[in-house]
Amino acid sequence: DQQVKQNSPSLSVQEGRISILNCDYTNSMFDYFLWYKKYPAEGPTFLISISSIKDKNEDGRFTVFLNKSAKHLSLHIVPSQPGDSAVYFCAANNNNDMRFGAGTRLTVKP
Amino acid sequence: NAGVTQTPKFRILKIGQSMTLQCTQDMNHNYMYWYRQDPGMGLKLIYYSVGAGITDKGEVPNGYNVSRSTTEDFPLRLELAAPSQTSVYFCASRRTSGRPDTQYFGPGTRLTVL
Repeated sequence: DQQVKQNSPSLSVQEGRISILNCDYTNSMFDYFLWYKKYPAEGPTFLISISSIKDKNEDGRFTVFLNKSAKHLSLHIVPSQPGDSAVYFCAANNNNDMRFGAGTRLTVKP
Repeated sequence: NAGVTQTPKFRILKIGQSMTLQCTQDMNHNYMYWYRQDPGMGLKLIYYSVGAGITDKGEVPNGYNVSRSTTEDFPLRLELAAPSQTSVYFCASRRTSGRPDTQYFGPGTRLTVL
């Protein structure tokens, strides 16, 4: 069962514009949500997270929004840069159970 | 600090062969994890360990075994390899306390079973 879903396999944006990556989850027991970034031939690296008691967390150009009632989170990147081109995974955690989405490949064009 | 290291980087196995994927971390983390990532899919947890001598099953443990005799090492054993085990395997570790975002990943091992 796919408890965390990223329905867009890919996204292409122009440099300087906003990138919005979306993620949906089904398990209301998840209490912590994360975004990871992955470059080819490397392991995922942590990007930003949010606890279920918050609805927004901001870190520089990256902001994560959580809508618990809709079981939906999103990652906003503003402004997007070519170096942001990578695969982005969202993940949801409950104790030691971390579930990942399938990833969205972001391409930022110069 | 090397972080989390994994060997080998690539491996091709024949059906029925066995092998061990190595994972070592030098951050003195108690928690260690093994994930697999199939094409077009997210990472799925195979096994995890909360300390030396303690291991537990994750979401997809069938066909694998693990051991944790030291804090640093967490090898993953495949017995009787099957084509369904073709995947990229990631090892990760994190501190005992702290939020899940303290989890660090290794570079991965790409395994093909023919």
